[in-house]
Amino acid sequence: GAGVSQSPSNKVTEKGKDVELRCDPISGHTALYWYRQSLGQGLEFLIYFQGNSAPDKSGLPSDRFSAERTGGSVSTLTIQRTQQEDSAVYLCASSPYTGTAYEQYFGPGTRLTVT
Amino acid sequence: AQSVSQHNHHVILSEAASLELGCNYSYGGTVNLFWYVQYPGQHLQLLLKYFSGDPLVKGIKGFEAEFIKSKFSFNLRKPSVQWSDTAEYFCAVSRNTGFQKLVFGTGTRLLVSP
Repeated sequence: GAGVSQSPSNKVTEKGKDVELRCDPISGHTALYWYRQSLGQGLEFLIYFQGNSAPDKSGLPSDRFSAERTGGSVSTLTIQRTQQEDSAVYLCASSPYTGTAYEQYFGPGTRLTVT
Repeated sequence: AQSVSQHNHHVILSEAASLELGCNYSYGGTVNLFWYVQYPGQHLQLLLKYFSGDPLVKGIKGFEAEFIKSKFSFNLRKPSVQWSDTAEYFCAVSRNTGFQKLVFGTGTRLLVSP
């Protein structure tokens, strides 16, 4: 079946511009996570959505970062006024939340380059 | 807070050599443990996972890992590596229930020479 998809696969933007990154989770998966993979920080958690509950935003590095999830499916991560340190690969993962242990399935990522 | 340490940042092996990658975690509660692999140009894939039960878990492509609770360790092993195992390997830990964000180690780059 279809896996997690993300778009665009690559994004180059100028410093100060806003960007939107999209994630389509696996159908039926109610849990959705965003992570960031960068040279300096490794793989780090950004934000978590579970069903209709309020998201856990504890990993967002600044208030320039926000995310939403519409209809419990597609999610968009928005970075406002991008900075060079935002350059990274942004990964989305989804899971069939069961209340107990589960694994996360990752998408291919969006490589963001801020010039 | 949870943390994960991977002791080897770069490993170079010849084909048919045995592999062991170390992973230690810090967390006071019940955890899930994972090894993910990222082949060149590809996305993260799950190699194996431990949720509960038998502490020796087997994953894809001949990999296995052993959970030693007393040592807070989850080392990855493979008896005989292949050139196609060249990749970056990430150990990760999460809580066992509820909000299960993954906390990753810094990764180990494995290069297998033919």
